[in-house]
Amino acid sequence: EAQVTQNPRYLITVTGKKLTVTCSQNMNHEYMSWYRQDPGLGLRQIYYSMNVEVTDKGDVPEGYKVSRKEKRNFPLILESPSPNQTSLYFCASRGGDRLYNEQFFGPGTRLTVL
Amino acid sequence: AQSVAQPEDQVNVAEGNPLTVKCTYSVSGNPYLFWYVQYPNRGLQFLLKYITGDNLVKGSYGFEAEFNKSQTSFHLKKPSALVSDSALYFCAVSAPLSGNTPLVFGKGTRLSVIA
Repeated sequence: EAQVTQNPRYLITVTGKKLTVTCSQNMNHEYMSWYRQDPGLGLRQIYYSMNVEVTDKGDVPEGYKVSRKEKRNFPLILESPSPNQTSLYFCASRGGDRLYNEQFFGPGTRLTVL
Repeated sequence: AQSVAQPEDQVNVAEGNPLTVKCTYSVSGNPYLFWYVQYPNRGLQFLLKYITGDNLVKGSYGFEAEFNKSQTSFHLKKPSALVSDSALYFCAVSAPLSGNTPLVFGKGTRLSVIA
């Protein structure tokens, strides 16, 4: 089944404790992206990657890091999480380099930073 | 910079009635427009998109949307709502003239279909 998977689905952590949210897709998509969803703000892009070893900042990159060493994986790293990073996070992928191709989303990771 | 507005936070409709979820956009040049739906505890799912051509676009689950260039709108419609359509709906836009500018989402509209 074609899908985007994320782990963990739920995470409660404390301020300053480094964490990684994994994202993997099995559709051989070049483009991958991370979003955060907050009430009343919709989805905002954190980082995206056009292909392996190519990453770029989205609208809200502060406090986050990403890497793209393999085509299928695009982990999101929070080096020193803070409470304002409490949010619902989605990973997405898109085939090809066409902006009109639809994105496929993972199930989401609900992060709480205490 | 491109932007999307969904003027209604919540839309309530009775089952069997037609529904409309509104979306307006702002981009330089011709837009690519999308609708996604999010069911509780799930990721976003693609519903439909407009690239070019026919202004009326048909998508999944009986939904359709009409592109109106003069009004810069892309409203989502369905002739007869189902209770199972209750979800959070997002409109999104990208613009080919903006290079790799990311897909920009609206804030979402919560649709509630009442039996």
